Amino acid sequence: EVQLVETGGGLIQPGGSLRLSCAASGFTVSTNYMSWVRQAPGKGLEWVSVIYSGGSIYYADSVKGRFTISRDNSKNTLFLQMNSLRAEDTAVYYCARELSMVRGVITRAAFDIWGPGTMVTVSS
Amino acid sequence: QSALTQPASVSGSPGQSVTISCTGTSSDIGGYNYVSWYQQHPGKAPKLMIYDVSHRPSGVSNRFSGSKSGNTASLTISGLQAEDEADYYCNSYTTSTTRVFGGGTKLTVL
Repeated sequence: EVQLVETGGGLIQPGGSLRLSCAASGFTVSTNYMSWVRQAPGKGLEWVSVIYSGGSIYYADSVKGRFTISRDNSKNTLFLQMNSLRAEDTAVYYCARELSMVRGVITRAAFDIWGPGTMVTVSS
Repeated sequence: QSALTQPASVSGSPGQSVTISCTGTSSDIGGYNYVSWYQQHPGKAPKLMIYDVSHRPSGVSNRFSGSKSGNTASLTISGLQAEDEADYYCNSYTTSTTRVFGGGTKLTVL
C-alpha cells in the first residue's frame, strides 16, 4: 500500500528546534518530488518546501533560512528540520508526494499522496 | 508569494452545480497550466481532485471538473451530493519554482 506517515511533532518553546520525519511505503522517496505542507489551526493550507528527485530544494519565504528539507534514501524517509521556531509555525505538518510526470507529460504542484499529519505547537 | 484568492464560502442544493474560483497572477495561475484542486474534510488530510487545470486522478468522480481563463482557475462540482460538503483549496506552481495555495473555500450542501 502506498502511504506516508509523519512523526516528530510536539510542544516546543519559541526559538527551539524540532525535526519531523515522514516514512514512505509502497514507493521510493528519492525518485519522487516530495513536499511539506502545513495548516495552522482553523486556517488554510500553506506550502512549505519541496525536494526534487534530482536534489533541488525550494522553500516558502516564510521558512527560508530556518527550515531544512532532506531525505534519507536508505530509510526511504523525508525530513524537515525546523529551527528558530515561532508561534506562527504552530500547525499540522503534512508530507506529500508531488507528481512530476503523468503518462510521459511533465506536471507540477499535484500532491497525490498525503500523510495524516503531525501537530507542532510552538508555545512557552 | 501571496496566497491565491478564493471565495470564503459557496453553497448549493443537492443535484445543483457550484463553481469555486481561484484568482492569482501572471506569475502563477496565468503563467502555467499547473493548477490543482484539493478536497479536505474536517480532521482529514487533503485529497487531490484535479491536476494540470482539468485532469482528474483515477478514482475521482467525473462530477468534478476544472478550467482556467487568464489568471483565474475554476472548479465546478455538478450533481452536488451531501458528501461533497468540505473545504476546497486550489494550488499553483509559480515562476519562483515555489507552490502557492488559495485561502480555501467552504462548500455547504444545503
